[in-house]
Amino acid sequence: DGGITQSPKYLFRKEGQNVTLSCEQNLNHDAMYWYRQDPGQGLRLIYYSQIVNDFQKGDIAEGYSVSREKKESFPLTVTSAQKNPTAFYLCASSTHRGSGANVLTFGAGSRLTVL
Amino acid sequence: KQEVTQIPAALSVPEGENLVLNCSFTDSAIYNLQWFRQDPGKGLTSLLLIQSSQREQTSGRLNASLDKSSGRSTLYIAASQPGDSATYLCAVPSRVPSQGGKLIFGQGTELSVKP
Repeated sequence: DGGITQSPKYLFRKEGQNVTLSCEQNLNHDAMYWYRQDPGQGLRLIYYSQIVNDFQKGDIAEGYSVSREKKESFPLTVTSAQKNPTAFYLCASSTHRGSGANVLTFGAGSRLTVL
Repeated sequence: KQEVTQIPAALSVPEGENLVLNCSFTDSAIYNLQWFRQDPGKGLTSLLLIQSSQREQTSGRLNASLDKSSGRSTLYIAASQPGDSATYLCAVPSRVPSQGGKLIFGQGTELSVKP
């Protein structure tokens, strides 16, 4: 079955540590996205990538970094510079590159807690 | 700047009731509008996608309507069941080319259906 796999599902981090969240898709989608979800605030875009080896900042990119070395993979690193990293992180992908007609498919999410 | 709002933030109904969830958007020039369901601690599942040229979409007990001129969409759930309990989110794609087709989400409505 095609889909998006996020790992780990739960992650705990000490302050000052960097952590990397994995996102892999086998849908042959060009575009991939990372969203952050906080209670009562809906989803906010962190980074997106429309093609391999290219990515763009979203609305809340500070303290995060990404790479897109393969079409299937779009890992997100939460760095120690992110002041409030405890959140639920969702990865998504779509077939359209930069098109407003996008239909996104989402992964199951990763919950990061800073201790 | 497109903004999406969902009211109410939370809703509790007895089993069997028909109910309506509301979504409003400030810029009526949308490509489409999508309704998602999110179970606690899980990713997003797409329920219905309405293209800008459509007035409504139906899937089983769900019916989504779109009125672009008034900037509103509603999700109608017939004969609600406890299994419908979840958070429902609506989203529209950004029309700004530089934003890579990101989705702009409402804050969600948390639905609880009591047996």
